[in-house]
Amino acid sequence: NAGVTQTPKFQVLKTGQSMTLQCAQDMNHEYMSWYRQDPGMGLRLIHYSVGAGITDQGEVPNGYNVSRSTTEDFPLRLLSAAPSQTSVYFCASSYAREENLNTEAFFGQGTRLTVV
Amino acid sequence: TQLLEQSPQFLSIQEGENLTVYCNSSSVFSSLQWYRQEPGEGPVLLVTVVTGGEVKKLKRLTFQFGDARKDSSLHITAAQPGDTGLYLCACHGAGSYQLTFGKGTKLSVIP
Repeated sequence: NAGVTQTPKFQVLKTGQSMTLQCAQDMNHEYMSWYRQDPGMGLRLIHYSVGAGITDQGEVPNGYNVSRSTTEDFPLRLLSAAPSQTSVYFCASSYAREENLNTEAFFGQGTRLTVV
Repeated sequence: TQLLEQSPQFLSIQEGENLTVYCNSSSVFSSLQWYRQEPGEGPVLLVTVVTGGEVKKLKRLTFQFGDARKDSSLHITAAQPGDTGLYLCACHGAGSYQLTFGKGTKLSVIP
């Protein structure tokens, strides 16, 4: 099983460039989310989606856009990269069931992004 | 957003030693999850605890949920180098699928 697949694994951008981080899952999960992980800061939620066509902001959304046109894919777009966006980005997915909120989150392997 | 505090932030021990790491909040958890993240990988779920006072065991790992559901601990017996990693606690917001993570405990087990 592929699970959650993120591409690319590594990326270097120049300040002001744009790019899209890809995330795909094959588990038919309704809920998908993007986190960034910085040293000493833990995982911080950027954006999330509870289903196709529905997205919302998390704790640190500025500078990032998302869309969810299919259940499987949840790309994260950096519109104009800044050095402060240097980080490791993780995509996660899980079931969304009203009767059970304690669902397991499955994570991709991460994208290490450096903005110079 | 519920604030999760984990301690210690770093822990370096010799193989065979025992250790305990902690996760605390000023608010009551509806449930709590523990994840382990190995270098270069995403976090992987170890356990979910739901009931106050609950104890769950996973081989050499013992997870405890406080009676008041405001704290949790993870105890590792006879640590091995394969236990090396970042241990994260996480909780869902009230009525939400959003997961909030603590900053983690980075464990190094030296052979």
